[in-house]
Amino acid sequence: DQQVKQNSPSLSVQEGRISILNCDYTNSMFDYFLWYKKYPAEGPTFLISISSIKDKNEDGRFTVFLNKSAKHLSLHIVPSQPGDSAVYFCAATDSWGKFQFGAGTQVVVTP
Amino acid sequence: NAGVTQTPKFQVLKTGQSMTLQCAQDMNHEYMSWYRQDPGMGLRLIHYSVGAGITDQGEVPNGYNVSRSTTEDFPLRLLSAAPSQTSVYFCASRRQNEQFFGPGTRLTVL
Repeated sequence: DQQVKQNSPSLSVQEGRISILNCDYTNSMFDYFLWYKKYPAEGPTFLISISSIKDKNEDGRFTVFLNKSAKHLSLHIVPSQPGDSAVYFCAATDSWGKFQFGAGTQVVVTP
Repeated sequence: NAGVTQTPKFQVLKTGQSMTLQCAQDMNHEYMSWYRQDPGMGLRLIHYSVGAGITDQGEVPNGYNVSRSTTEDFPLRLLSAAPSQTSVYFCASRRQNEQFFGPGTRLTVL
């Protein structure tokens, strides 16, 4: 039972354009959401997070939006750069502290 | 500060063999976890520990054992490897809501 879903396994975007990654969740007890970035042969690294009391968090080129009523969050990367080519995992956690991860979205930024 | 380290990077086993995946962290984090990553499945929690001497099962614990004798080390043991355990394994340590992952171990069971 996947409680965090990333329905797009891959995304191709031109350099300089916006990348939008989507994530849906089913468990209303999740109160903290994170995005991780993973390069091949490396472990995931933390990218950005958002608490359920907020609807937006911004860090440089990365912005995460949270829509609690729709149980949906998205990651915007503007502008996209070649170094952004990676797999992006959405994750959620509740007050018990267990993480649930989505299946990941492979982003390819083309010149 | 090495963060989270894992050994080995790659391993090939035959069905029925046993082995231990090593994980160590130098950040003095109490909370550590083991995940496996499979195509289309994301990262699934195998076992976790909230401190030395305390471990608990995650989402997919069958076929794996763990122990936590020190804060730094959290080894994962496969007692009798099966082809279904072919995967990439990640160890992580955690500070509050942020997890720090090791580089992973790619395991193939023939």
